[in-house]
Amino acid sequence: QVQLVESGGGVVQPGRSLRLSCAASGFTFSSYAMHWVRQAPGKGLEWVTVISYDGSNKYYADSVNGRFSISRDNSKNTLYLQMNSLRPEDTAMYYCARGGPSIAVVGFDYWGQGTLVTVSS
Amino acid sequence: QAVVTQEPSLTVSPGGTVTLTCGSSTGAVTSRHYPYWFQQKPGQAPRTLIYDTNNKHSWTPARFSGSLLGGQAALTLSGAQPEDEAEYYCLLSYSGIRLFGGGTKLTVL
Repeated sequence: QVQLVESGGGVVQPGRSLRLSCAASGFTFSSYAMHWVRQAPGKGLEWVTVISYDGSNKYYADSVNGRFSISRDNSKNTLYLQMNSLRPEDTAMYYCARGGPSIAVVGFDYWGQGTLVTVSS
Repeated sequence: QAVVTQEPSLTVSPGGTVTLTCGSSTGAVTSRHYPYWFQQKPGQAPRTLIYDTNNKHSWTPARFSGSLLGGQAALTLSGAQPEDEAEYYCLLSYSGIRLFGGGTKLTVL
């Protein structure tokens, strides 16, 4: 069965960096686009970024463009989110989610359980 | 940047029918926005219910259906069950950028 397990969250000071990981199993990871979605405490969902199956195409939300970077290692079945210049408003649960076989497929079907990032001094 | 709008809250009686809507500040929602619908219960990760306007996953209960209605995307729940009480989010595509609506808190009462 499809499994997505996020890790790497924690407490970090404003302006610092953090890298999240998402370990995938139960499907051919290298055949699917992958997304990150976040949810601030008590708030709604916010789409963050997507990467194509081979890493050649990426899109970012305006709120993170230039600060966050998505990448993947298909040999390790792992998705990453490098977060730089973190701000308190980046505090959220971060979910990875499986997209479609093409980055043009808009949404996602399977979700992980999330990893919590807290940006605070 | 576009804004995706949803009703903040709705209430439905057990066994009743309710329609949740999803609008776009840029104009009518069409099939080219590829609307998605998600359900999220407290303390849980979201679950995808509907994709590309009206398609269901294998785990989507038959009582949920998606459509386009009056220039908006719509999620209709027919025969509401107590376990359907949750937050519901829509997602639209804008040329590669995806945007969620603010969510609708659905109460079954």
